[in-house]
Amino acid sequence: GAVVSQHPSWVICKSGTSVKIECRSLDFQATTMFWYRQFPKQSLMLMATSNEGSKATYEQGVEKDKFLINHASLTLSTLTVTSAHPEDSSFYICSARMGQGLYGYTFGSGTRLTVV
Amino acid sequence: SQQGEEDPQALSIQEGENATMNCSYKTSINNLQWYRQNSGRGLVHLILIRSNEREKHSGRLRVTLDTSKKSSSLLITASRAADTASYFCASILIQGAQKLVFGQGTRLTINP
Repeated sequence: GAVVSQHPSWVICKSGTSVKIECRSLDFQATTMFWYRQFPKQSLMLMATSNEGSKATYEQGVEKDKFLINHASLTLSTLTVTSAHPEDSSFYICSARMGQGLYGYTFGSGTRLTVV
Repeated sequence: SQQGEEDPQALSIQEGENATMNCSYKTSINNLQWYRQNSGRGLVHLILIRSNEREKHSGRLRVTLDTSKKSSSLLITASRAADTASYFCASILIQGAQKLVFGQGTRLTINP
């Protein structure tokens, strides 16, 4: 079955630094990848949609300059949290979709970001 | 933005009992999916029901969909301790970039 690998699974960084999270589709080409953020005991909030070779589409209220998304290939999307602050501490999850189908969404295992 | 509300937000039952979780959504959908998330982990896809379906079964799971009421329910029969997790409904909006949007979730605890 389709597998999405997300790395790292957890990271601790100092306030003001940047952190990059990778999301890879291992056995399929993902035309579209989605990035979600989840605060403790809350649901997943969609942050942005990225399509290979084009700019990401951000949800309302998500800062484009703070959360940089790059989808340079059909198997890799990255989310960079720039100038991280403690309030950016959260669980970040990516999802990849195979082709244009409405059913093939596969999720990564998530990244726990703690900014100190 | 969130698409749906889930009810209850938290549910605690004894092992062996059935657990029912409800989900309501706001706009027209193509299909509705249910996911499970163990604490601090990724999501596991459980079941998908299309907008033209009313009920679907998968093992101990039973999902219903009422498009007139914009609601869905997930029933887990004969619950087990391993079913303890958070359960989310998610829907793909008909309009837009086919984004998968999640409900608020239900935290289910199965007591042994």
